[in-house]
Amino acid sequence: GQNIDQPTEMTATEGAIVQINCTYQTSGFNGLFWYQQHAGEAPTFLSYNVLDGLEEKGRFSSFLSRSKGYSYLLLKELQMKDSASYLCAVRDSNYQLIWGAGTKLIIKP
Amino acid sequence: DSGVTQTPKHLITATGQRVTLRCSPRSGDLSVYWYQQSLDQGLQFLIQYYNGEERAKGNILERFSAQQFPDLHSELNLSSLELGDSALYFCASSPNGGTTDTQYFGPGTRLTVL
Repeated sequence: GQNIDQPTEMTATEGAIVQINCTYQTSGFNGLFWYQQHAGEAPTFLSYNVLDGLEEKGRFSSFLSRSKGYSYLLLKELQMKDSASYLCAVRDSNYQLIWGAGTKLIIKP
Repeated sequence: DSGVTQTPKHLITATGQRVTLRCSPRSGDLSVYWYQQSLDQGLQFLIQYYNGEERAKGNILERFSAQQFPDLHSELNLSSLELGDSALYFCASSPNGGTTDTQYFGPGTRLTVL
């Protein structure tokens, strides 16, 4: 079966750095997405990785290792507004998105 | 603002009833996806349409149906509603539905079944 694993919840301090991991087992791979979702709101697109390596976008970076079936989202200089759920999704060989359950990130002052 | 619109924003109804949720994709996008998200749960993919045709089906119940019209807007019909159908229903759109497409989500419709 297809599976995406993320930690359920993480806590970090304002101004710090946090890394949210995602491991996946899917039938084929055609890219990995990270989305941010504030409670009760729509998911918003953060990043897309299809090749191995690190993609940096301001305070957010996303890393992919296809051989290990592994990705992480790195958030730097954490702000209170970063408190949200972070969803990892993998596009499989049929170009369908397989979604993880999400990681709830709690930022403390 | 993603450019995807959904109506209504909130819907309260009773068990056994039928409702229709509406979605307009971003300008130029041909693919529409429907998702269900129950409280504190992950996104559950329901169904995808591409240019009017059903392309993929996820965990969609037989009581639920959807369609995409020639103007590319889509409707999700939920019938014989049960308490467990209370959830946020999201619509997303993408240009083509494959290859390098990114899905952009609408604000959602919050359905409450009493």
